[in-house]
Amino acid sequence: KQEVTQIPAALSVPEGENLVLNCSFTDSAIYNLQWFRQDPGKGLTSLLLIQSSQREQTSGRLNASLDKSSGRSTLYIAASQPGDSATYLCAVSPDKLIFGTGTRLQVFP
Amino acid sequence: NAGVTQTPKFQVLKTGQSMTLQCAQDMNHNSMYWYRQDPGMGLRLIYYSASEGTTDKGEVPNGYNVSRLNKREFSLRLESAAPSQTSVYFCASSEEIAGETQYFGPGTRLLVL
Repeated sequence: KQEVTQIPAALSVPEGENLVLNCSFTDSAIYNLQWFRQDPGKGLTSLLLIQSSQREQTSGRLNASLDKSSGRSTLYIAASQPGDSATYLCAVSPDKLIFGTGTRLQVFP
Repeated sequence: NAGVTQTPKFQVLKTGQSMTLQCAQDMNHNSMYWYRQDPGMGLRLIYYSASEGTTDKGEVPNGYNVSRLNKREFSLRLESAAPSQTSVYFCASSEEIAGETQYFGPGTRLLVL
């Protein structure tokens, strides 16, 4: 059974820092991996989708990498801002999405 | 485009009552999903519909039923609510069942007393 783990569960950093969020999964047979952002009391917003044949995807200050063989993905956030404060979830898709429990990020001024 | 909409936003039920959560999407997506989100458990799939006219069980289907009314609408019904069903429920949609970005609604907060 596929399991998705995200470490750390919570992270607090000062504004301007570059940071890395981690996601690991137990079964490498996936179609893709997605990173989502969830603001308190809101739904999920898709940030990046990496197909299984890809190594990374970039969008603005965000860069996500995928290493299927080791069952790992990282989300890199450059020059963090207070507006980046949210919970970040990764999910893998053998067919239907299986989610990790998220990393709660706080960026303070 | 409204994207994915859900009603109601918040509901309080007594144990044993029934209710239907409504979801609609205007992106012409084929696939739709219902998740529940609980503290420390992440999002778990309840039911999904790969295409109009089909529905299948997800990870936690017990106590729920679904209806894919048409391509736009996918409803979730609790026939006899239990306190264990207190949760936040999210509907999502995607173009196809696998390999596609999923778009989420704002959620329904359900409290069962």
